[in-house]
Amino acid sequence: NAGVTQTPKFQVLKTGQSMTLQCAQDMNHNSMYWYRQDPGMGLRLIYYSASEGTTDKGEVPNGYNVSRLNKREFSLRLESAAPSQTSVYFCASGGEVGPYEQYFGPGTRLTVT
Amino acid sequence: GNSVTQMEGPVTLSEEAFLTINCTYTATGYPSLFWYVQYPGEGLQLLLKATKADDKGSNKGFEATYRKETTSFHLEKGSVQVSDSAVYFCALANYGGATNKLIFGTGTLLAVQP
Repeated sequence: NAGVTQTPKFQVLKTGQSMTLQCAQDMNHNSMYWYRQDPGMGLRLIYYSASEGTTDKGEVPNGYNVSRLNKREFSLRLESAAPSQTSVYFCASGGEVGPYEQYFGPGTRLTVT
Repeated sequence: GNSVTQMEGPVTLSEEAFLTINCTYTATGYPSLFWYVQYPGEGLQLLLKATKADDKGSNKGFEATYRKETTSFHLEKGSVQVSDSAVYFCALANYGGATNKLIFGTGTLLAVQP
């Protein structure tokens, strides 16, 4: 039982390049989330997916797109990376039985130069 | 709207000292409250939780009590160890909507010195 896995662990991009961050969970959760973590800002929700086939914007969605490929996988795409997107990105999943606990992946550290 | 405020860090303590990290919240209704811990280079892990007023969450020697009258959920530990050095996040979740979004505080770095 691997929990939540993310790839890659580290990535360096030049401004304007694109990339996709991958996330998978093996806990049969319906809900999945993408967060970014910046110093002094805590974690901020980018996008989430309540179930397979649905996605919704979170607090900071601009510059990102997501795909809920199936129940296990939820990817985050940066179409044209900007230095402001330098951050650590976390994927999480959670069930619907309260109290709304979420399980996090190890994170992807992204630097945009 | 919903929000979480926690004390600024870093908090630096000697081993075996008493720890308190303050957390207060603003929310409508009856949120659930959580403390997550992030060890260096890792993702967040749930440390403890409480779902209703006066509940006490506890795990690994850490405790926090859900105080509705003061809208607080302070984290405490009686005797910290070097291995407790990490960033601690307070969070809340409110029922409603299609999914269970968490609202996080900004995190508090704890450094425990031998």
